[in-house]
Amino acid sequence: NAGVTQTPKFQVLKTGQSMTLQCAQDMNHEYMSWYRQDPGMGLRLIHYSVGAGITDQGEVPNGYNVSRSTTEDFPLRLLSAAPSQTSVYFCASSSRADGGEAFFGQGTRLTVV
Amino acid sequence: GQQLNQSPQSMFIQEGEDVSMNCTSSSIFNTWLWYKQDPGEGPVLLIALYKAGELTSNGRLTAQFGITRKDSFLNISASIPSDVGIYFCAGQLRGSARQLTFGSGTQLTVLP
Repeated sequence: NAGVTQTPKFQVLKTGQSMTLQCAQDMNHEYMSWYRQDPGMGLRLIHYSVGAGITDQGEVPNGYNVSRSTTEDFPLRLLSAAPSQTSVYFCASSSRADGGEAFFGQGTRLTVV
Repeated sequence: GQQLNQSPQSMFIQEGEDVSMNCTSSSIFNTWLWYKQDPGEGPVLLIALYKAGELTSNGRLTAQFGITRKDSFLNISASIPSDVGIYFCAGQLRGSARQLTFGSGTQLTVLP
């Protein structure tokens, strides 16, 4: 099993550009989520979804959009990239409805210049 | 903001030593999880705890869910070089189901 697959692994954007970070899981998990990891701050929840067609905001949602049209995919869109969005982004999925015991992807390292 | 205080921030230990790290909060948690992250990888779940007072082991790792539900600790016994990495606690706040809150991590270095 591939588990949770994120693409791309690395990305450099110019300020103001938009892009979509892709996330796919093959474990048939209903719960999926996006986190950002910044030095010394652990992981912070951006958005999450408890099933297809359902999304909700986490701790730091501003500047990001998500949609969940299928169980497998949960893309994260940056609408207008800012240097403050330079970070490592992780997608995760869980078989638990509460999102616990999450499986994480390998991450996308994003730099906004 | 950050609601979990994880300590220590970093640790340097000799191979074979035991190590302990903990997370505390002023808020009550329903779930405590411990993850390990290797460089360039995503976090991997080590132990999950669901009941106050619960003590769970996974090989050389032992974790406990504090009685007050506001803290948890992770112990690693007889450390080996592959224990190197960043260890994170994470939990689900009472009243914030479906959202994980992470500590800031403990960077563990094991010296030969």
